[in-house]
Amino acid sequence: NAGVMQNPRHLVRRRGQEARLRCSPMKGHSHVYWYRQLPEEGLKFMVYLQKENIIDESGMPKERFSAEFPKEGPSILRIQQVVRGDSAAYFCASSAGQGATEAFFGQGTRLTVV
Amino acid sequence: SQQGEEDPQALSIQEGENATMNCSYKTSINNLQWYRQNSGRGLVHLILIRSNEREKHSGRLRVTLDTSKKSSSLLITASRAADTASYFCATVNNAGNMLTFGGGTRLMVKP
Repeated sequence: NAGVMQNPRHLVRRRGQEARLRCSPMKGHSHVYWYRQLPEEGLKFMVYLQKENIIDESGMPKERFSAEFPKEGPSILRIQQVVRGDSAAYFCASSAGQGATEAFFGQGTRLTVV
Repeated sequence: SQQGEEDPQALSIQEGENATMNCSYKTSINNLQWYRQNSGRGLVHLILIRSNEREKHSGRLRVTLDTSKKSSSLLITASRAADTASYFCATVNNAGNMLTFGGGTRLMVKP
């Protein structure tokens, strides 16, 4: 049973390009969380999704950022027209239940905007 | 703002000593979870304590929860150099649908 898989592990984008970060949850998990982490800081909640539904996106910027978790396939965090300030590690976690159980984290995608 | 706040932000101890980290939160919770993160890696779940529990043990880990003070502590006994990592607390609200993390405690255990 593979763990949470995120890809790519490292992503370099030029300012103005689009970044697509993928997260495949653990088998049987239908809840996905996305977090952003700056160096030496904690994780900041971005968005919580269940299959085909966004449950809470209160931590996600209104512009340029979007997330989806389709019925088939991985969850996608999409950042349009990236800026240098978007450089960070983005972590995905999945759980089987509504957060009342432990969450399993992926290894993260490190986005660098040049 | 972050729901959980850990203190201290950084802790340096000698191998064999105990390490205590604290976490405070602001609103009612369903449960509180502690995670560990090695540098540059993802988070690993350590222990979950529910709002109706006061103390839990797992190996060298001991977690307490005081819902009246909205605080939790993580104790690592007989620390090892391999325990060097950042430790985060995360809270789950009563709707059970979100994990929010504090800024973490960076623990260094010197051999």
